[in-house]
Amino acid sequence: AQKITQTQPGMFVQEKEAVTLDCTYDTSDPSYGLFWYKQPSSGEMIFLIYQGSYDQQNATEGRYSLNFQKARKSANLVISASQLGDSAMYFCAMREGPGSARQLTFGSGTQLTVLP
Amino acid sequence: GAVVSQHPSWVICKSGTSVKIECRSLDFQATTMFWYRQFPKQSLMLMATSNEGSKATYEQGVEKDKFLINHASLTLSTLTVTSAHPEDSSFYICSARSPGGEKYNEQFFGPGTRLTVL
Repeated sequence: AQKITQTQPGMFVQEKEAVTLDCTYDTSDPSYGLFWYKQPSSGEMIFLIYQGSYDQQNATEGRYSLNFQKARKSANLVISASQLGDSAMYFCAMREGPGSARQLTFGSGTQLTVLP
Repeated sequence: GAVVSQHPSWVICKSGTSVKIECRSLDFQATTMFWYRQFPKQSLMLMATSNEGSKATYEQGVEKDKFLINHASLTLSTLTVTSAHPEDSSFYICSARSPGGEKYNEQFFGPGTRLTVL
């Protein structure tokens, strides 16, 4: 079974509008972390936002917010007020278990295109 | 913030040659480094986990004799693709873990190395 599922291979959004990128995950470990990364065409992985499994509130970082629904095992990324520079590939990732010594498992990604 | 560099950023080589890719943590000591491979339009797939001073742990299906990983110091890990073939052409990305990093950003990614094998 896929541990991280991103069902939207591509998304389009009009500049200045909000967009939601979907991510569902599968784990039996009670302790885990969820990440979103942005990968522009240059290839670098840019960290956007993190949500811990025990965090009570949804994470927010500027224009990025994470809609964490633990019972549904979903961790959707919401980008508000889209900008042309937001056009990139977006990956959802999970780290299972406590501690940072564990690797990240990535979803298949969503290619976001912001239209002027 | 923590910076991870990779060298070279891109490399073209002939089939059958070996290529070494370096991953360096510039301003912190990395006890654990991860090597990922990404084919075009695909996700990142973990190849191996390397811990300083010990042997790397390879993921299932990754040939350890083909992809040699050396993590000889707390700031440097190297990936050597031995006897490279065209199917090894890919984007290789490393990430490094700092024991003192903030909980949510404990892995810092390098900019990646694009390998093309002719």
